[in-house]
Amino acid sequence: QVQLVESGGGVVQPGKSLRLSCAASGFTFRSHGMHWVRQAPGKGLEWVAVIWYDGGNKYYADSVKGRFTISRDNSKNTVDLQMNSLRAEDTAVYYCARGRTRHSSDSDYWGQGTLVTVSS
Amino acid sequence: QSALTQPASVSGSPGQSIAISCTGTSSDVGGYNYVSWYQHHPGKAPKLIIYDVSNRPSGVSNRFSGSKSGNTASLTISGLQAEDEADYYCGSYTSSSTQVFGGGTKLTVL
Repeated sequence: QVQLVESGGGVVQPGKSLRLSCAASGFTFRSHGMHWVRQAPGKGLEWVAVIWYDGGNKYYADSVKGRFTISRDNSKNTVDLQMNSLRAEDTAVYYCARGRTRHSSDSDYWGQGTLVTVSS
Repeated sequence: QSALTQPASVSGSPGQSIAISCTGTSSDVGGYNYVSWYQHHPGKAPKLIIYDVSNRPSGVSNRFSGSKSGNTASLTISGLQAEDEADYYCGSYTSSSTQVFGGGTKLTVL
């Protein structure tokens, strides 16, 4: 069965960096785009970034562009999110989600999420 | 990348039907047939229930249906059940090759 397990969340000071990782299993990883989506406390879902199946294209929300970088390793079935210059408003549960196809915008499987808290 | 517009809350009694709207622009909802809907029970992973405007993933009840007219998409849930109580989000592909979500709608089953 499809499994997505996020890791790397925690408490970090404003301006610092954090790297999230998502380990995928149960499907052909290299055939699917992968997304990161976040949900701030008491707020709705916010799309963060997508990387296409082959890593050839990456797109970001305006709110994180220039600060966050998405990457993937198809040999290890992992997708990462490098988060730099973190701000208080980046505090959220971060979900890793599988794109339904190689480069679809929707996601058919989601992880349980990892909490990132940006606070001094 | 402004969020799509959804009503904050809707409610209905068991057995009834409800509809949730999702309004965007010609750069997202109106421009592409790539609207999706997600069901989210707090504390759990979101679940895809509709993709490409009106398609249901395998295993999703046919009580859920989607449609679109112009810049507004809609999710209809028929035969409401207690377990349908959750938050619902629409999502759309955009002209910037990104995705945008709606603000979410809390469904209460009375």
